[in-house]
Formats: sequence, C-alpha cells, structure tokens
Amino acid sequence: QKEVEQNSGPLSVPEGAIASLNCTYSDRGSQSFFWYRQYSGKSPELIMSIYSNGDKEDGRFTAQLNKASQYVSLLIRDSQPSDSATYLCAFWGGYQKVTFGTGTKLQVIP
Amino acid sequence: DGGITQSPKYLFRKEGQNVTLSCEQNLNHDAMYWYRQDPGQGLRLIYYSQIVNDFQKGDIAEGYSVSREKKESFPLTVTSAQKNPTAFYLCASSIGVEQFFGPGTRLTVL
Repeated sequence: QKEVEQNSGPLSVPEGAIASLNCTYSDRGSQSFFWYRQYSGKSPELIMSIYSNGDKEDGRFTAQLNKASQYVSLLIRDSQPSDSATYLCAFWGGYQKVTFGTGTKLQVIP
Repeated sequence: DGGITQSPKYLFRKEGQNVTLSCEQNLNHDAMYWYRQDPGQGLRLIYYSQIVNDFQKGDIAEGYSVSREKKESFPLTVTSAQKNPTAFYLCASSIGVEQFFGPGTRLTVL
C-alpha cells in the first residue's frame, strides 16, 4: 500500500469553478499535512499547511483534514488558468521525514 | 532576498563521472534535504541533515554522498556508483516541519 495516494489526473475544470483535489494517507501517526504546487519544469512551492482536523482557508485555497478517515483535500475556488499545475500532497510523520504523493495534475480551461 | 539557490540549473554527466550539485540557503534554517524526482513518481529522499557536520541517509542514498560543513551549504555528489542518475534533483530546507525548495538541478547522463 502506498503511503500517500493521489489521483494522477488530469483533473479538468472550467475557469471560475471549484477544483477539488484529494489525498489519502496510510500512516495514522501523521501529524502535519501539506499541499505543494508544482508548475511544469519547476520546483514545488508550499501553498498550504494544516495540522488539525477541520478546514483552513487562505485566500482562494481551503485545506480540509480528517484524521479519522486519513483524508486531506484542497479546494481551489474561482479557479484560474494560472492554477494549472501539479499539486503534491505531503505529510510529516516524525523523524524529520516528509512523505510526498505523486501529485494530481490540474488543468483549468479558459 | 532570503532563499535557496541550486547550481547548476542543468548538468550533463558522462558515464563514470562524479558530479557535485550545489545547494545554498540564507534562511538560517537548521535542516536541509536532497530529493530526487522522476517522471510519474513522488519525491524520494536521498539524504538529510539536521545540524552541521551530521547527516542521515534517506530512502535512496546508494550512489550519492553529501557533506554539511556549513549551516548554509549542503552539496550533493552523484557518484559513478549511481546507475540511473538522470533525474530532477531538489534541495530543500526547513525550520520546523515546513520544507521549502530550491529551483532544482536537472541532471542528464550522456
């Protein structure tokens, strides 16, 4: 079983719609969760961190964490073509190690 | 400006050569990391260092070596023992659990 599962996509949404990206993880000891955005050919950029159950909002981005279901999601409201990228889910389970998923490719169609 | 720099951006290696990738940060972060990214795969941890003069192997350390003589610098050497080194190499640093990435070095074996 993979430690972090993400649908590779591509997930296509029209401009202005809500994009919903999902991630499940297997390590029940995971304590901190992250979403990174990676444009093609570029390095990952941290866009959201979430540490407790519930929702965390930052501008157009909302991260949702449900530790009981081992599930974390990222919602992007009012999607823009500039949001087209691969989104990596990651978690920190201790020992200075962060585990990354393989990413979901998002395409926002103008 | 504070940040993480990696050089070179592109690197070509001949069979049997050792090459060294540079990573420097001026964020005053204690921990630094090296990852490798291959198409369709998540980031895989090569080595990490939490303090100067100390480092630990990650999941795929074979064929790689590192040093941490200064807090700001964490160079990675890809040795001839690494049989499939063509990949995108990412350096990261952290204070706490959030990791921030440099721009990456794309290594190609000729």
